[in-house]
Amino acid sequence: EPEVTQTPSHQVTQMGQEVILRCVPISNHLYFYWYRQILGQKVEFLVSFYNNEISEKSEIFDDQFSVERPDGSNFTLKIRSTKLEDSAMYFCASSEVKQRTYYEQYFGPGTRLTVT
Amino acid sequence: AQKITQTQPGMFVQEKEAVTLDCTYDTSDPSYGLFWYKQPSSGEMIFLIYQGSYDQQNATEGRYSLNFQKARKSANLVISASQLGDSAMYFCAMREFTDSNYQLIWGAGTKLIIKP
Repeated sequence: EPEVTQTPSHQVTQMGQEVILRCVPISNHLYFYWYRQILGQKVEFLVSFYNNEISEKSEIFDDQFSVERPDGSNFTLKIRSTKLEDSAMYFCASSEVKQRTYYEQYFGPGTRLTVT
Repeated sequence: AQKITQTQPGMFVQEKEAVTLDCTYDTSDPSYGLFWYKQPSSGEMIFLIYQGSYDQQNATEGRYSLNFQKARKSANLVISASQLGDSAMYFCAMREFTDSNYQLIWGAGTKLIIKP
């Protein structure tokens, strides 16, 4: 069964450093998402991406964040200068377009980012 | 205001018993979808079940069913014949189908522990 993959599974970085989280969505999917979950808290939407551009983004997704689909398979989230409060689990998800409004977002296993 | 409310931060249930996890939502959008996800201790997010606002029948997927009460704006997840492997965090989420809005809005989750 196709699945969303994410690398690395765990990333430790120092405050102020740039990090790139990588995701490989399911191959025939057209919509891509990033969510984050701070430990013990609810999942928060960051950004959605379609047709090589951002569809929507939350207020969390400020200028420190960017997303890219550098090739036909990868979908990346970059944090330019990490802060302690960026420590969280980051989930990538993808979905296909369906005629009905229903669609399922398939989630990757997540990348745990720890900023020290 | 909270759009998704899960009032049970934690639940203990005896193995083989049925369990109901509560979820209430708030939206003025007539078209929306409700999702339940399971998050085991390993961290991945697993889709369980979906209910559309215009669906006439309650959704069912194996041992999972959704008790959808539209007038009350509730979408409780029912797990029949609970198993030890059902121990996990359970999240209710909603998508409002307006303005190309693709994000999922999440509740705080319920931690379910199944006792042998």
